[in-house]
Amino acid sequence: DAKTTQPPSMDCAEGRAANLPCNHSTISGNEYVYWYRQIHSQGPQYIIHGLKNNETNEMASLIITEDRKSSTLILPHATLRDTAVYYCIVRVEYGNKLVFGAGTILRVKS
Amino acid sequence: NAGVMQNPRHLVRRRGQEARLRCSPMKGHSHVYWYRQLPEEGLKFMVYLQKENIIDESGMPKERFSAEFPKEGPSILRIQQVVRGDSAAYFCASSPLEGVNQPQHFGDGTRLSIL
Repeated sequence: DAKTTQPPSMDCAEGRAANLPCNHSTISGNEYVYWYRQIHSQGPQYIIHGLKNNETNEMASLIITEDRKSSTLILPHATLRDTAVYYCIVRVEYGNKLVFGAGTILRVKS
Repeated sequence: NAGVMQNPRHLVRRRGQEARLRCSPMKGHSHVYWYRQLPEEGLKFMVYLQKENIIDESGMPKERFSAEFPKEGPSILRIQQVVRGDSAAYFCASSPLEGVNQPQHFGDGTRLSIL
């Protein structure tokens, strides 16, 4: 699975959009980009995933660049409850395990 | 994290005892994954199981650790003769099918403390 690079931490004002970047420059054609988050003392929570098209669900949007070397997770209206560690993971289509890096600590502030 | 049930939530053992962690996957899910999160560290994959089969145990320590997912009942992660270094949060995840790009959904973990 390709390696990902994320900033160690970010701050966001409550009510504003949180844009979390991820670099995956070595991604290959059959690898998907997954995003999870982990709120303190809880298990990781699945957010969204995509291959090459932009994706949106009730939680977030995922924007993947045309060359697929990077992506951005967008939380459109961040709340204090979105404070968490956000993990960007690249996973092969028929892979099994998830390889977690250090992630980005997102702090939403009022 | 509704759906994947882990118990107990907290488990305290003395050195040398056995620890048994249970995971009931989401309804309809037949694939189970175990991960470990040591204090102040990231999650590390341990083992991937389907019903009655271990598919990938590349992340399991070579000794004292074992996992099973029987035909009936929950998946069990068993740690024999626990040591202080086994203190960690152990998370279970499940997914419905292999190889069809289904996300894994996690439980809230078992916090194991070794005295």
